[in-house]
Amino acid sequence: DTEVTQTPKHLVMGMTNKKSLKCEQHMGHRAMYWYKQKAKKPPELMFVYSYEKLSINESVPSRFSPECPNSSLLNLHLHALQPEDSALYLCASSPDRGPTDTQYFGPGTRLTVL
Amino acid sequence: GDSVTQMEGPVTLSEEAFLTINCTYTATGYPSLFWYVQYPGEGLQLLLKATKADDKGSNKGFEATYRKETTSFHLEKGSVQVSDSAVYFCALIPSGGSYIPTFGRGTSLIVHP
Repeated sequence: DTEVTQTPKHLVMGMTNKKSLKCEQHMGHRAMYWYKQKAKKPPELMFVYSYEKLSINESVPSRFSPECPNSSLLNLHLHALQPEDSALYLCASSPDRGPTDTQYFGPGTRLTVL
Repeated sequence: GDSVTQMEGPVTLSEEAFLTINCTYTATGYPSLFWYVQYPGEGLQLLLKATKADDKGSNKGFEATYRKETTSFHLEKGSVQVSDSAVYFCALIPSGGSYIPTFGRGTSLIVHP
């Protein structure tokens, strides 16, 4: 299995809802990432997990809460989001966190906040 | 800090034309360099990479050579197809520190039949 899967593909939520995004990989990778991508922009790093521990939080608002239940699974819990949080949320994984470790991306979840 | 500069798009070509998308970088040491492609409505796919100076990455007819002397990693393809229409991102991972990748702004390629 050489892919990163993400569910759901699309999500529409109101500002008072709580929802979660899910990411899964079965490549044995030990690093996993969440990115946010706005239209016509490059991905912006949000969080990095390394060996199931949060190692980087790029000053992301607390309404985004990541979780790594095991080495294959990464969740992003969403609560009280704002319309400006509407974006494509990308998950990625890499074998480890090193200078030559390629990141492999999932197809993304298109999030719309009403 | 590290940075990646890509040529501004869109780049518009006819099918079978030669493609060059310029990418230059600023980083200390010897970063690894990557090209990713993003088709409409999809995530990023690794196209090719190079991890040391003078390495050439290649895949699906695309090539890029890691040039340390000019700090460049230009993407080339000899004959583009309509199916190559997408956004191309150049990226680097530094050789030290937190290994956080830096992406260029992306270059949109439109290929007409």
